Amino acid sequence: DAMVIQNPRYQVTQFGKPVTLSCSQTLNHNVMYWYQQKSSQAPKLLFHYYDKDFNNEADTPDNFQSRRPNTSFCFLDIRSPGLGDAAMYLCATSKGGFFGGAGLPRAPQHFGDGTRLSIL
Amino acid sequence: EDKVVQSPLSLVVHEGDTVTLNCSYEVTNFRSLLWYKQEKKAPTFLFMLTSSGIEKKSGRLSSILDKKELFSILNITATQTGDSAVYLCAVDHAGNNRKLIWGLGTSLAVNP
Repeated sequence: DAMVIQNPRYQVTQFGKPVTLSCSQTLNHNVMYWYQQKSSQAPKLLFHYYDKDFNNEADTPDNFQSRRPNTSFCFLDIRSPGLGDAAMYLCATSKGGFFGGAGLPRAPQHFGDGTRLSIL
Repeated sequence: EDKVVQSPLSLVVHEGDTVTLNCSYEVTNFRSLLWYKQEKKAPTFLFMLTSSGIEKKSGRLSSILDKKELFSILNITATQTGDSAVYLCAVDHAGNNRKLIWGLGTSLAVNP
């Protein structure tokens, strides 16, 4: 089945030790997103790629970086994790473009199962 | 400021009950409203609504949008314990920014 796959499901790292989370997709979607979700909160968009174009959210800390080496894969790098970075990290994908033209609906986002990151 | 408000924040029902979850929004240049179901892991897409008055249906779940009154409802009939989850509402808006405006979700618990 076509899907969005995140690895690992659970990641434990030490305070300040760099960590990389990965996401792959078989949907052939050209847009990939990274979200951070903390307990009882809505997902918070960190950044997204539209094809190779990187789009950072203004309030995403510099500590968070991303790479997209090809259409299928996207990585989230946390350079120096702090205790406040413990969260669920969600990868999502969607088809780019519009269903019918500017101003009309965009395709929905489809999420992977997430990686739960713990910081010791 | 754009916002999405869901109610109730939490709900406890018995199996077989029917529930209605609410999502109201104030978002400029509305494109679509999306419903997701989130259990212990990532959100699962349920519905995308773009036009008023057209019901979307999938099994026991259905949803409708009112663009005049700026709200949507998600109905679940004959609830089952497997329906226990957080139901998230999000709104997409015009512009190059692909950031959805999310509600805080409704936590639904279905007891046997």
